[in-house]
Amino acid sequence: ETGVTQTPRHLVMGMTNKKSLKCEQHLGHNAMYWYKQSAKKPLELMFVYSLEERVENNSVPSRFSPECPNSSHLFLHLHTLQPEDSALYLCASSQDAQGKTQYFGPGTRLLVL
Amino acid sequence: DAKTTQPPSMDCAEGRAANLPCNHSTISGNEYVYWYRQIHSQGPQYIIHGLKNNETNEMASLIITEDRKSSTLILPHATLRDTAVYYCIVRAYSYNTDKLIFGTGTRLQVFP
Repeated sequence: ETGVTQTPRHLVMGMTNKKSLKCEQHLGHNAMYWYKQSAKKPLELMFVYSLEERVENNSVPSRFSPECPNSSHLFLHLHTLQPEDSALYLCASSQDAQGKTQYFGPGTRLLVL
Repeated sequence: DAKTTQPPSMDCAEGRAANLPCNHSTISGNEYVYWYRQIHSQGPQYIIHGLKNNETNEMASLIITEDRKSSTLILPHATLRDTAVYYCIVRAYSYNTDKLIFGTGTRLQVFP
């Protein structure tokens, strides 16, 4: 599916590095989401943006910093991560943040060394 | 959101119908049943959703019992590419922010 794209698809970083994950949606949606999926765990919601405003922050550590410059783009800035932050990071979008179907991107597989 | 219960794994022969059950006995009146699937290490893919009527689309059919306490996702002619983890989620439309709460799902293995 090309509706929601994520780059990079794979990322290896050291604990002192700074990197950013990018998500772009081509569906004309107004809400975007970041999820984390650790090995053998269910998906966990991290952040929700609606009309470029953050409306939910699920107790995520400050070493994860989201940015939503417009309704089509969403970033997740990473800084001084820990090895336990290694996971699949998934972006999703929906028409709005009040219950419309969410469509997911392919994810970024992150490995923190 | 209501909790859902799904079997951890199922097998299905290629070409046969795959029937994936989901129990959601505490579902309330305004909560929808959603199904997503996730092929290994990819993003979840939306399949179908419904409130109380049965639904069908190009991917699958969703059968919801009259009391809405359980549902079944039907893949009419399973292929090897349908091998994935299938998630049943119940959620309500609201004016607050929306959450999809994923469980552990059912791992469907389609074999030749």
